[in-house]
Amino acid sequence: EAEVAQSPRYKITEKSQAVAFWCDPISGHATLYWYRQILGQGPELLVQFQDESVVDDSQLPKDRFSAERLKGVDSTLKIQPAELGDSAMYLCASSPGETQYFGPGTRLLVL
Amino acid sequence: AQSVAQPEDQVNVAEGNPLTVKCTYSVSGNPYLFWYVQYPNRGLQFLLKYITGDNLVKGSYGFEAEFNKSQTSFHLKKPSALVSDSALYFCAVRDSPGGSYIPTFGRGTSLIVHP
Repeated sequence: EAEVAQSPRYKITEKSQAVAFWCDPISGHATLYWYRQILGQGPELLVQFQDESVVDDSQLPKDRFSAERLKGVDSTLKIQPAELGDSAMYLCASSPGETQYFGPGTRLLVL
Repeated sequence: AQSVAQPEDQVNVAEGNPLTVKCTYSVSGNPYLFWYVQYPNRGLQFLLKYITGDNLVKGSYGFEAEFNKSQTSFHLKKPSALVSDSALYFCAVRDSPGGSYIPTFGRGTSLIVHP
């Protein structure tokens, strides 16, 4: 069964450093989402792509976060510089329609 | 605007007993409703969805959910709980086409099944 791949699974960094997360969606899924999930809460959307275009990035803190999906397949989410409050699980999901399929996530800890 | 509420932070049930995890929603149009499960340090796994049709939806792992339009609810149920069902459960809603295409997730309900 096809799955969404994410790497790394865990990342520890110091504040003010740059971090990057990678996501490979299920083949053929045009829509890709990046979510942030703080412990004890539900996922919150950061950015949505349709193919290579950004559909919604209204909740993305653009002063430090950036996301790209250059060829409309895999995607990278970057944080620079990282802050203590960025510690969270970063989830990628892809979708062929109504249903979203999530990757295992990247757990980020900022020290 | 769309919103979803999971009124219980935690649900405790004995193995073999029926379980219910509650979800209520608010949308301006017709809802698309989803349930996901999350195990520790894992992403969310899709369980089931309601788009249209029969109000009782059957999903993965023996779970089902009942759409109740008058009560704006979409409670998750299972007739006989297993210890392995212990996990975090998320309800999500999005408006039908014409509204937001991005689901809104609830805060999650921790289900604990005791042996």
